[in-house]
Amino acid sequence: KAGVTQTPRYLIKTRGQQVTLSCSPISGHRSVSWYQQTPGQGLQFLFEYFSETQRNKGNFPGRFSGRQFSNSRSEMNVSTLELGDSALYLCASSLPSGGAYEQYFGPGTRLTVT
Amino acid sequence: AQKVTQAQTEISVVEKEDVTLDCVYETRDTTYYLFWYKQPPSGELVFLIRRNSFDEQNEISGRYSWNFQKSTSSFNFTITASQVVDSAVYFCALLKTGANNLFFGTGTRLTVIP
Repeated sequence: KAGVTQTPRYLIKTRGQQVTLSCSPISGHRSVSWYQQTPGQGLQFLFEYFSETQRNKGNFPGRFSGRQFSNSRSEMNVSTLELGDSALYLCASSLPSGGAYEQYFGPGTRLTVT
Repeated sequence: AQKVTQAQTEISVVEKEDVTLDCVYETRDTTYYLFWYKQPPSGELVFLIRRNSFDEQNEISGRYSWNFQKSTSSFNFTITASQVVDSAVYFCALLKTGANNLFFGTGTRLTVIP
């Protein structure tokens, strides 16, 4: 069974630009969550999508957005990039939302903003 | 509010030594889940264990064992006879029922010296 895949793996952008990251969950998994990992703030929850609907959202500005498609694939978008957005962005998939299931993580997309 | 504390920032042990990683959590919920994840240098978070708040039985999986004590809000992780491949950052995380967002501790970097 294929794991969670994320593309691209590495990305370099300039301040002010926008970026879109993609996540394909494990087959059969319908919940996709996104996390940001930085040395200063650690691992922080961005948002969760289930059945194409955002179910939970972390404490991030509106520049961070996401969506989920009917095949459960998800994308997250960051607009007007800031230097502080440089981070490892991790996507996780799990069976139906509700806390009873473990989340399986992808390899991450490392975003560098210059 | 949910909070996870991993007081040990870095630990170094010599191969074959046993090591315990501490995790203390805070939550007002009566039902919740606790997790341990391993993050090797590649960056991907690897799921190790999930425990729900009603199951205080200790668990052993090969060289890994977990001690859950609700009375002290702790969920400690012990690696027996450590190996170089155990070198990684280990995260403890808390998830409340009904949500799918993990609250992570700051992680403990374990280095196993050959």
